Amino acid sequence: GAVVSQHPSWVICKSGTSVKIECRSLDFQATTMFWYRQFPKQSLMLMATSNEGSKATYEQGVEKDKFLINHASLTLSTLTVTSAHPEDSSFYICSTPGTGFSGANVLTFGAGSRLTVL
Amino acid sequence: AQSVTQLGSHVSVSEGALVLLRCNYSSSVPPYLFWYVQYPNQGLQLLLKYTSAATLVKGINGFEAEFKKSETSFHLTKPSAHMRDAAEYFCAVSRGGNTPLVFGKGTRLSVIA
Repeated sequence: GAVVSQHPSWVICKSGTSVKIECRSLDFQATTMFWYRQFPKQSLMLMATSNEGSKATYEQGVEKDKFLINHASLTLSTLTVTSAHPEDSSFYICSTPGTGFSGANVLTFGAGSRLTVL
Repeated sequence: AQSVTQLGSHVSVSEGALVLLRCNYSSSVPPYLFWYVQYPNQGLQLLLKYTSAATLVKGINGFEAEFKKSETSFHLTKPSAHMRDAAEYFCAVSRGGNTPLVFGKGTRLSVIA
């Protein structure tokens, strides 16, 4: 089945630094990538939607300059948390509908990246 | 707009007992409904999905869910709980196509030996 490889799975960084999270679709093309954020013991909240070759669409309240999303190819989408602060500590998960799937909107999820900002 | 409400943030059952996790949805269009399971520090695993075919949907690990339009519900059940079922469960809804999922707040299932 479809697989999305997400890295790193765990990252600890100092406040003020930037962290890049990558999601790669293996063996299929990911035209669209959804980026979610999950605070401890809470649900997943959609942050933004990226489409290959175009600018990402951010949900209300999500800072575009803080969370940079790049989707330069059909197999790679990245989320960069810039000038990270402790309140950015969270679990970030990417997902994609992929292409060529039958049925309705079964998203493939990455394994998630846990970011801890000290 | 679409939304899901999961009743009960925490459900505790005895091993071997029936599992019932409740989910009600709100959607202005025919919904696609999903249940996902998340184990600690892991991503999401799809348990089952409703895509307007059969209203009783069977998923993995012995779980099933029934779509009831009249009640706008999509409750998740399993006849007999196992210790390995202890996890966080999320109900989600979408409009289909290349649209994102909208998740409920999740229900943590504990299984007592």
